[in-house]
Amino acid sequence: DVKVTQSSRYLVKRTGEKVFLECVQDMDHENMFWYRQDPGLGLRLIYFSYDVKMKEKGDIPEGYSVSREKKERFSLILESASTNQTSMYLCASSPRGSGTYEQYFGPGTRLTVT
Amino acid sequence: RKEVEQDPGPFNVPEGATVAFNCTYSNSASQSFFWYRQDCRKEPKLLMSVYSSGNEDGRFTAQLNRASQYISLLIRDSKLSDSATYLCVVRGDSWGKLQFGAGTQVVVTP
Repeated sequence: DVKVTQSSRYLVKRTGEKVFLECVQDMDHENMFWYRQDPGLGLRLIYFSYDVKMKEKGDIPEGYSVSREKKERFSLILESASTNQTSMYLCASSPRGSGTYEQYFGPGTRLTVT
Repeated sequence: RKEVEQDPGPFNVPEGATVAFNCTYSNSASQSFFWYRQDCRKEPKLLMSVYSSGNEDGRFTAQLNRASQYISLLIRDSKLSDSATYLCVVRGDSWGKLQFGAGTQVVVTP
């Protein structure tokens, strides 16, 4: 059974803190993605990676960075958390070249910045 | 303008009835189309892909209209377990990046 795990389900941080969100997949997928989901806006792509040490900006990368040192792990970093980064963060992975492009999601991390 | 637009609903449907809803997409070069399902406080999961000729998966039927740039989902004989948010998803490039709509909420009532 495919599995994407995220380090925390709920996280509360203070403004200005550095925040790390971890995502691990056990499916040997090449592609990994970070989204945030907000009511009325749907899922918006923050960053994605199609290989180890590779990263590409998504639609809303400002205020975020990522790290992919190993194939199975993709980290999202909030350098200095702000209240407008309060959101649900979803990680996903997909195989490259499979033709289906199905993305498998983790359970999400609900981040609150106070 | 959003790349993928959906009616947020909710669509309140009696059990056993049929419900249908659409989404529109703005990029005429979009290559693949999908419906994902998201249960309350859960992650999205692929429901079905949408093919040019239309396709069925049990009680679910998906249609694609490239000329008018919309896709549709029809649910027949609705079950209580069909209550969820249905996300319209479009792929525009070869890397597997997906554009998600904000979702249509369906509530099936006894």
